[in-house]
Amino acid sequence: DQQVKQNSPSLSVQEGRISILNCDYTNSMFDYFLWYKKYPAEGPTFLISISSIKDKNEDGRFTVFLNKSAKHLSLHIVPSQPGDSAVYFCAASAKRNTPLVFGKGTRLSVIA
Amino acid sequence: GAGVSQSPRYKVTKRGQDVALRCDPISGHVSLYWYRQALGQGPEFLTYFNYEAQQDKSGLPNDRFSAERPEGSISTLTIQRTEQRDSAMYRCASSSDTGELFFGEGSRLTVL
Repeated sequence: DQQVKQNSPSLSVQEGRISILNCDYTNSMFDYFLWYKKYPAEGPTFLISISSIKDKNEDGRFTVFLNKSAKHLSLHIVPSQPGDSAVYFCAASAKRNTPLVFGKGTRLSVIA
Repeated sequence: GAGVSQSPRYKVTKRGQDVALRCDPISGHVSLYWYRQALGQGPEFLTYFNYEAQQDKSGLPNDRFSAERPEGSISTLTIQRTEQRDSAMYRCASSSDTGELFFGEGSRLTVL
């Protein structure tokens, strides 16, 4: 059973608009959450993280929101740029420095 | 090194052969992880090490898979008697104490 779920396989957004990528998890022991971005023929690269003591973390155009009661997190990218087109993976772990559990990914296409 | 280095980048082998995949982590990173990624899926945890000690091998699919990190740096993932279902991208990642994983470009294994 998937512990980390990204229910949207793909998303298309107009350049300049907001991109919202969603992630749900089932394991209530998860307390550290990360987003990774992956370009073709490259390994996933770390984007942003949030721990369960926070409900929001912001880094430039990227903001991650965490709703622990709903076991839901989302990544907001604003404004979206064509270079943001990639596959985005949500990941979670029970604590830092333990194996991350990944979702299946959402392919974001930002259209100029 | 500057990043996580994996070799070979591509490996084609015949069913029944043994293969060894190598990972050279970022210098000084304590933890080293092995993941497997099928097409259209997220990375799936296989095993990880802190220094030379294997901490968790619960993700290894069966006893044909093994991994070692004898000196706490370079790691080798070995698959014995390969089968077609072993075909996948094998990803190595390392981390310091921040919890973020830094991935290599992966080794794509094809078993004919």
